[in-house]
Amino acid sequence: AQSVSQHNHHVILSEAASLELGCNYSYGGTVNLFWYVQYPGQHLQLLLKYFSGDPLVKGIKGFEAEFIKSKFSFNLRKPSVQWSDTAEYFCAVKARGYIPTFGRGTSLIVHP
Amino acid sequence: DAGVIQSPRHEVTEMGQEVTLRCKPISGHDYLFWYRQTMMRGLELLIYFNNNVPIDDSGMPEDRFSAKMPNASFSTLKIQPSEPRDSAVYFCASSLYRGRTTNEKLFFGSGTQLSVL
Repeated sequence: AQSVSQHNHHVILSEAASLELGCNYSYGGTVNLFWYVQYPGQHLQLLLKYFSGDPLVKGIKGFEAEFIKSKFSFNLRKPSVQWSDTAEYFCAVKARGYIPTFGRGTSLIVHP
Repeated sequence: DAGVIQSPRHEVTEMGQEVTLRCKPISGHDYLFWYRQTMMRGLELLIYFNNNVPIDDSGMPEDRFSAKMPNASFSTLKIQPSEPRDSAVYFCASSLYRGRTTNEKLFFGSGTQLSVL
């Protein structure tokens, strides 16, 4: 079975700082990888996804994630965060024949 | 499409009362998921349906929880009797899986904030 681990539960940054949220998964086969974002008081929405091809995936609002197969990782990055990036971020993995599995989530607070 | 619709948005009830949460998935989607979100445990999958059939309910915490999907456009999650520890945000999500296509993301509803006093 697949599983996902998000290393940081809470991250606090100042505006303009760089962001990297860790995500590791365990599954030996081909997977699809996702990052979802949940802004305060809102529902989860897709930020970016990787299915195949270029392992560096660019999403909305300047976010990107890199799939490193050898490390089973799919870390989320943003070079310069804004106050409006304050949200909960969820990594998810989906292998063929399985439903998506979500990580526990990382709460990001950006101070203005 | 209006997206996944959940009701009510907020529910405040007293311990021991029955609570029913409702979800209308996106038309045509064949998978429906119920999640619970808490500070302590993050996002937990409670149960999911495929073509209205419950596939895996191993995430349902206790017998007090039950879920039904009588048709493709409606699902309920019921808690009877409710307890304060059930207080959480409950999300419904739907998706359409077409094998090896690229469109396999989940669409989430706005959630129901449940408070059991």
